Amino acid sequence: DIQMTQSPSSLSASVGDTVTITCRASEGISTYLGWFLVKPGNAPKSLIFAATSLQSGVPSRFSGSGSGTDFTLTISNLQPEDFATYYCQQYSTYPRTFGQGTKVEIK
Amino acid sequence: QVQLVQSGAEVKKPGSSVRVSCKASGGALNSGGALNSYSISWVRHDPGQGLEWMGEFIPVFGTANYAQTFQGRVAILMDKSTYTVSMDLSSLKSEDTAVYYCTTALFWGSGTRSAFDIWGQGTKVTVSS
Repeated sequence: DIQMTQSPSSLSASVGDTVTITCRASEGISTYLGWFLVKPGNAPKSLIFAATSLQSGVPSRFSGSGSGTDFTLTISNLQPEDFATYYCQQYSTYPRTFGQGTKVEIK
Repeated sequence: QVQLVQSGAEVKKPGSSVRVSCKASGGALNSGGALNSYSISWVRHDPGQGLEWMGEFIPVFGTANYAQTFQGRVAILMDKSTYTVSMDLSSLKSEDTAVYYCTTALFWGSGTRSAFDIWGQGTKVTVSS
């Protein structure tokens, strides 16, 4: 199975900050990577697919980059609604696997 | 707008089984032909363990793929007359306590690699004696 490793596991930031979350795959996955946002009590929300493409309706302050094994999610001008846990997920091979999550907290 | 509507919360005893259902409503998924353009996966969320993919159903083939972790304990089925996909999990353990989600991904043939897009609202399953 492909292991997805995110860093950091948590971070503290303020409204207006720019934050970057990294995700590393244990083997190359081309750009078959998605990013999701999860808030307590809510279903996951799909943010990015194909490593860099925004899902419909996702604000442009979210951006993704990377290919192969190393990926990043950047959130610019952090908004109050962005404080949540973020997960990366590979869909290159079965089983589909997720990173362990990065919790973005208010400083 | 397509929505995935899941069945309600369940409380189960260890060793028993649970069925969670997911019905597509509205939009492109609510027809047989359109449903053949998607796969439906089940993902569970335990805040302490994160997100975990359990398996998927591919309507156009009528087949399912399962994560090895759940092999033998999980079955994903579809009722095409009601556009409802169900996930059966057996031999429940306390560690199966989680919120279970269905989610769609585009499917265009064998070897498809596509991202999860639409998510159901989630079904809380509690396993406790």
